[in-house]
Amino acid sequence: DAKTTQPPSMDCAEGRAANLPCNHSTISGNEYVYWYRQIHSQGPQYIIHGLKNNETNEMASLIITEDRKSSTLILPHATLRDTAVYYCIAHNFGNEKLTFGTGTRLTIIP
Amino acid sequence: GAVVSQHPSRVICKSGTSVKIECRSLDFQATTMFWYRQFPKQSLMLMATSNEGSKATYEQGVEKDKFLINHASLTLSTLTVTSAHPEDSSFYICSARDLFDRSYSPLHFGNGTRLTVT
Repeated sequence: DAKTTQPPSMDCAEGRAANLPCNHSTISGNEYVYWYRQIHSQGPQYIIHGLKNNETNEMASLIITEDRKSSTLILPHATLRDTAVYYCIAHNFGNEKLTFGTGTRLTIIP
Repeated sequence: GAVVSQHPSRVICKSGTSVKIECRSLDFQATTMFWYRQFPKQSLMLMATSNEGSKATYEQGVEKDKFLINHASLTLSTLTVTSAHPEDSSFYICSARDLFDRSYSPLHFGNGTRLTVT
């Protein structure tokens, strides 16, 4: 899996959009970009994934740059319950194992 | 959605005893499950890959005789921490992928087991 780089921490005001960046400059063509989050003392929760097109689901939007070297996870209207560590993973779907980096600790401020 | 259940959620044991943690896929079948360990303020570290009907594959540095993994069915994998010591205190998390999902489908995670060895 390609290495990803994320800021260690971010704050966002409640009700605003939270934009979490991820750099994956060495991503290869068969690697998807996955986002998971981990709320304190819980297991990781899947959020969204994509290959090259932008994706949206009920939780978030994923914007992947045209060259695929970076992406942004967008939580459109952040709530206090979105406070968590967010992990961006560039994962080769031929590789069963999923490797976690250090993620971004997102704190939603009331 | 697919649910992975872990039991127990918390366990306290005395040094030298063994502890078994169960990981079940509740509404899907999984030939492969993964066990992770997470120390405070750190990320998840993969310990081993559990394969139904065969031996688990351990990551480098993980003692297979200390962390016994059994994957006896398509819905159950167990991790036994043998002769536990305080340094084994950690948050253990399992995950699984639906057998019928495509290879790029996301993993489903359990809610973890917090082990404290006194």
